[in-house]
Amino acid sequence: EPEVTQTPSHQVTQMGQEVILRCVPISNHLYFYWYRQILGQKVEFLVSFYNNEISEKSEIFDDQFSVERPDGSNFTLKIRSTKLEDSAMYFCASSDQGWTEAFFGQGTRLTVV
Amino acid sequence: GESVGLHLPTLSVQEGDNSIINCAYSNSASDYFIWYKQESGKGPQFIIDIRSNMDKRQGQRVTVLLNKTVKHLSLQIAATQPGDSAVYFCAENSQNSGGSNYKLTFGKGTLLTVNP
Repeated sequence: EPEVTQTPSHQVTQMGQEVILRCVPISNHLYFYWYRQILGQKVEFLVSFYNNEISEKSEIFDDQFSVERPDGSNFTLKIRSTKLEDSAMYFCASSDQGWTEAFFGQGTRLTVV
Repeated sequence: GESVGLHLPTLSVQEGDNSIINCAYSNSASDYFIWYKQESGKGPQFIIDIRSNMDKRQGQRVTVLLNKTVKHLSLQIAATQPGDSAVYFCAENSQNSGGSNYKLTFGKGTLLTVNP
């Protein structure tokens, strides 16, 4: 069964450093998303991406965040200068159409120290 | 604004019992709802969905009910098993005014614990 894959599963970084979280969405999907989940809290929308551009972004997705689809398979989230409060689980998701269910990856646990 | 919330943060049931998890939403324009299951350390896993033109949808051991009048959603799990223990989130799929951008707004989650 097709699935969304994310790497790494766990990333530890020092405050102020740049991190890149990687995702391979399901191959025939057209809509891509990043969400995050702070420990014990609900899943929060960060950004949606369609047709090689950002469709929508939340207030969390400030200038420190960027997304890219560098080739036909990868979808990345970059945080330029990490802060302690960026520590969370980051989930990538994809859907074949925006109005269908989104499938989530297993997440990357980002720990900023 | 948009918000999706859950009535009960925790639910503990005996194995074999039926479970009901509730969710309230506030965006009356939402037309698509999804229930996700999240096990510890994993990503949300799709369980069942329902569109606003339906009141009820059944899957294998799960049923979702939608009451648009009171903006309420519920997930019923029949014959709950220990493997059903997880956090359950309702999510509301909304689109912007342009009609092309979609996003999921998640509720806070209910922790379901199934006792053997």
